[in-house]
Amino acid sequence: DQQVKQNSPSLSVQEGRISILNCDYTNSMFDYFLWYKKYPAEGPTFLISISSIKDKNEDGRFTVFLNKSAKHLSLHIVPSQPGDSAVYFCAARIGGSNYKLTFGKGTLLTVNP
Amino acid sequence: NAGVTQTPKFRVLKTGQSMTLLCAQDMNHEYMYWYRQDPGMGLRLIHYSVGEGTTAKGEVPDGYNVSRLKKQNFLLGLESAAPSQTSVYFCASSLLLGDEQYFGPGTRLTVT
Repeated sequence: DQQVKQNSPSLSVQEGRISILNCDYTNSMFDYFLWYKKYPAEGPTFLISISSIKDKNEDGRFTVFLNKSAKHLSLHIVPSQPGDSAVYFCAARIGGSNYKLTFGKGTLLTVNP
Repeated sequence: NAGVTQTPKFRVLKTGQSMTLLCAQDMNHEYMYWYRQDPGMGLRLIHYSVGEGTTAKGEVPDGYNVSRLKKQNFLLGLESAAPSQTSVYFCASSLLLGDEQYFGPGTRLTVT
């Protein structure tokens, strides 16, 4: 049972345009969500996160939106740059003493010059 | 400050052989984790540690053992490797429980 779903395996956008990566979850106990970026042959790196008490968090070109009623979050990258080309993983955590991050399968973003 | 490092980067094993993957972090993090990543799959947690001398099972622990004798090191052992353990293994650490995790560069393991 996949609790965190990234239904688009890949996404291609033009440089300068907006990239929107989507993530759906099924477990209503998740209260903290993270996005990681992964380049080939490297480990994932933390990008941005959002708590369930918020519906938006922004960090430079990256904004994460959370729609709790729809159990959906999205990562917006504006403007997209070729260096953003990577696999993006959505992850979710249940609060309290739970350490465990549940990851989606990832979306490969390609930004074309 | 090297962050999280992993040794080795690549390894090929024959079925039945054993090996140990080493993870080291220099950020004084209490919490450390071992994940595996397979094609088309997200990262799955194998084992984790909440402090020196403690370990616990994650989502897919079978066939693996771990040890955390020093705070900065977390070892992942395969006692008898199987082809199903062919994967990329990532180690991660975090300062606080449930905090964002910092990942190492990964170890690509092939079991033939």
